[in-house]
Amino acid sequence: DAKTTQPPSMDCAEGRAANLPCNHSTISGNEYVYWYRQIHSQGPQYIIHGLKNNETNEMASLIITEDRKSSTLILPHATLRDTAVYYCIVRVGGGGADGLTFGKGTHLIIQP
Amino acid sequence: DTEVTQTPKHLVMGMTNKKSLKCEQHMGHRAMYWYKQKAKKPPELMFVYSYEKLSINESVPSRFSPECPNSSLLNLHLHALQPEDSALYLCASSQEWNRGNSPLHFGNGTRLTVT
Repeated sequence: DAKTTQPPSMDCAEGRAANLPCNHSTISGNEYVYWYRQIHSQGPQYIIHGLKNNETNEMASLIITEDRKSSTLILPHATLRDTAVYYCIVRVGGGGADGLTFGKGTHLIIQP
Repeated sequence: DTEVTQTPKHLVMGMTNKKSLKCEQHMGHRAMYWYKQKAKKPPELMFVYSYEKLSINESVPSRFSPECPNSSLLNLHLHALQPEDSALYLCASSQEWNRGNSPLHFGNGTRLTVT
């Protein structure tokens, strides 16, 4: 069952901020929001994750709404190399290994 | 470059062949995973190993046989595959504890073609 909803595709101009939305309206209190991306013919690349607070790292920022029902991944200055499929994934916390369940993701195309 | 290394990068095999895919990580992770990805589809979980023991098998056919000989290595043994098994096979690893805060790290996969 898909726990997240993402637009199938988005365009963004090179050099502009890319804002990728994700809806996870049924998220539970102990579930984290993860973002991965997959560039053609490569393995998925971890970008960022968070539980309640907004997070930032060298790749991106993650903004989670106060009710935690949606989030936005922000790539601050998109380049052509950011063209990829971006996956928003909800993952339960706790011990043990469980894997990640990927949805269809958003195909982000950076236009020159 | 990734910290999870998969070999070979490409593999072509006949339906009667036996082959193995290999995955290695040296990050001290105690959870390892196999995923299968068909063209234009998202990755699908196949197996999860936790402390070298199989903990999740997502109803994968027995022609796929995983093995975790030690905490750094993960193998996927292939036998009597079908052409529809052609796909990108991805390996990943993560910390076993506190999984909410333990991202999976993926290799770049083995592109398998079954003829």
